This record gives sequence, C-alpha cells and structure tokens, in this order.
Amino acid sequence: QKEVEQNSGPLSVPEGAIASLNCTYSDRGSQSFFWYRQYSGKSPELIMSIYSNGDKEDGRFTAQLNKASQYVSLLIRDSQPSDSATYLCAVRRRDQFYFGTGTSLTVIP
Amino acid sequence: EAQVTQNPRYLITVTGKKLTVTCSQNMNHEYMSWYRQDPGLGLRQIYYSMNVEVTDKGDVPEGYKVSRKEKRNFPLILESPSPNQTSLYFCASSLSFGGGWNEQYFGPGTRLTVT
Repeated sequence: QKEVEQNSGPLSVPEGAIASLNCTYSDRGSQSFFWYRQYSGKSPELIMSIYSNGDKEDGRFTAQLNKASQYVSLLIRDSQPSDSATYLCAVRRRDQFYFGTGTSLTVIP
Repeated sequence: EAQVTQNPRYLITVTGKKLTVTCSQNMNHEYMSWYRQDPGLGLRQIYYSMNVEVTDKGDVPEGYKVSRKEKRNFPLILESPSPNQTSLYFCASSLSFGGGWNEQYFGPGTRLTVT
C-alpha cells in the first residue's frame, strides 16, 4: 500500500474556477502534511503546510486536513493559467517524507 | 538569498564510472535529503541526514552513498552507476520544528543519464 495516494489526473478547470485536489495517506502516524507545486522540469516549490485538523488559508489556496479520514485536500480559488502544473502531496512520518505521484492540473483560459 | 544548490545540473556518464553530485544549503538547516523522481513513481527518498554525521536510509538507498561532514553539504555518491539510476535527482533541506521537521526546500535538480 502506498504511503500517499493522489489521483494523477489530468484535471482541467476553466480560468476563474475552483480547482480541488485530493490526497489520502495510509499511516495514522503521519504528522505533517504539505502541498507542493512542480512545473515541468523544475523543482517542487512549497505551497502550504498543515499540521492540525481543519482548514488553513493562504491567499487563493486553502488546505484541508482530516486526520480521522486520513485525507488532505487543496483548493485553488480563482484558478489562473499560471496555476497549470503538477501538484504534489507530501506527508512526514517521524524522520521521513513521503510524496504522492502528483496530480496534473490544467487551467484553460 | 536562501537556497539549496546542486551540481552538476546535467550529467551523462557511463556504467560503472563513479560520480558525486554535490548539494549545499545556506539556511543552516539540520535536515537534508536526497530524492529521485521517475515518471509514474513520484519522488522517492534515497537518504536523509538529521545532522552532521547522522545519516539514514530512505526508501530506495541501493546503489547510493552519502556523507554529512559539514552541516551545509550533503553529497550523493554513486560508486558504480547503472542505467537504472538514470533519473532526476533533487536535494532538499528542512529546519527542525516542534520536535519534527518543517517543510523542505528543494534544489534545482540534477538530471543524470547513465549509458
């Protein structure tokens, strides 16, 4: 069983819409949760970290964590073409980090 | 500028020829790590280090070595590269936070091809 699972997509949304990205993790001992954005051929860049149950908002981005369901999500409001990228979900369990394979998002102008 | 640097950025080599990929960070982070990224498999952790002289295996350590003699540097060594080590490699670093590790910052990546 994979530590972190994401729907690989591709997910397409029109410009200005809300994009919803989902991630599940297998180990209840996972302690910290992260969303990264990765453009093709580039390195992952952090969008948001979340450590406790509930929502965390930063600009157009909202991360949601539900530890009981072992579920993390990322909402992107007012999606822009520049948001087109692969979004990686990551979790930390003790001293190791585990990444999902990413969801490809395309925002259509 | 706070950053993680890697060198070289691109490398083509032949099977069996030892190589080292360097990684350096200027953020005084305790935690450093190496990942490889392959299509369909995502980012997988090779080795990590929680501080100087403290290293441990990640999920895919076979064929790799690391050392952490200084806090800022964490080189990745391939003693005898093989074609299945052709991949995109990322170094990352992280600061300690609340008894654990905070978000990681990634270097620009090294694209390695082994023929």
